[in-house]
Amino acid sequence: AQSVTQLDSQVPVFEEAPVELRCNYSSSVSVYLFWYVQYPNQGLQLLLKYLSGSTLVKGINGFEAEFNKSQTSFHLRKPSVHISDTAEYFCAVSGSRAGSYQLTFGKGTKLSVIP
Amino acid sequence: KAGVTQTPRYLIKTRGQQVTLSCSPISGHRSVSWYQQTPGQGLQFLFEYFSETQRNKGNFPGRFSGRQFSNSRSEMNVSTLELGDSALYLCASSSGWGEAFFGQGTRLTVV
Repeated sequence: AQSVTQLDSQVPVFEEAPVELRCNYSSSVSVYLFWYVQYPNQGLQLLLKYLSGSTLVKGINGFEAEFNKSQTSFHLRKPSVHISDTAEYFCAVSGSRAGSYQLTFGKGTKLSVIP
Repeated sequence: KAGVTQTPRYLIKTRGQQVTLSCSPISGHRSVSWYQQTPGQGLQFLFEYFSETQRNKGNFPGRFSGRQFSNSRSEMNVSTLELGDSALYLCASSSGWGEAFFGQGTRLTVV
């Protein structure tokens, strides 16, 4: 079975400051890892993904994440946040069941950017 | 390319009724997955359909069912609605690993 733990439920940060949203996962098989963002009353938008290759993954809106297999982590970072980054962020894993694209999500982290 | 379309966006139903939600995936995508999102439980996988066959199912009671048509459009049905079924239901369309695109969701309120 797979699971995802997002260590912080809420993260307040001042505008133009850096931010890190933490994600740890557990899985007995190789995984694919994702970060999604959700704005109020919206669906999920893919920020970035790790399937294989370089462990540093760059995504949209200036976000990046680093896959660390030994620490089973996939933390999301941005060097300078904007007000528009205020949203909820979800870490997800996939790959446990052959032939299925099922995603297992963390509980989410609400990022609040303070002007 | 059109995105994933879910209809309706909002629904209000009474306990005991049944409801059908619809999802039109991105053209060419054969996989459609459904998720339930609630404040308490977060995002939970309901089921996945691929080429009209259910190939994976989450841990939900039999009141939750779905189907997929030959054009890949999918519907999910919830019978005998309970207050706890109030949630945002999200549909995801996929063509392969790492390519899950989500719709705007259907907000179901059970009163």
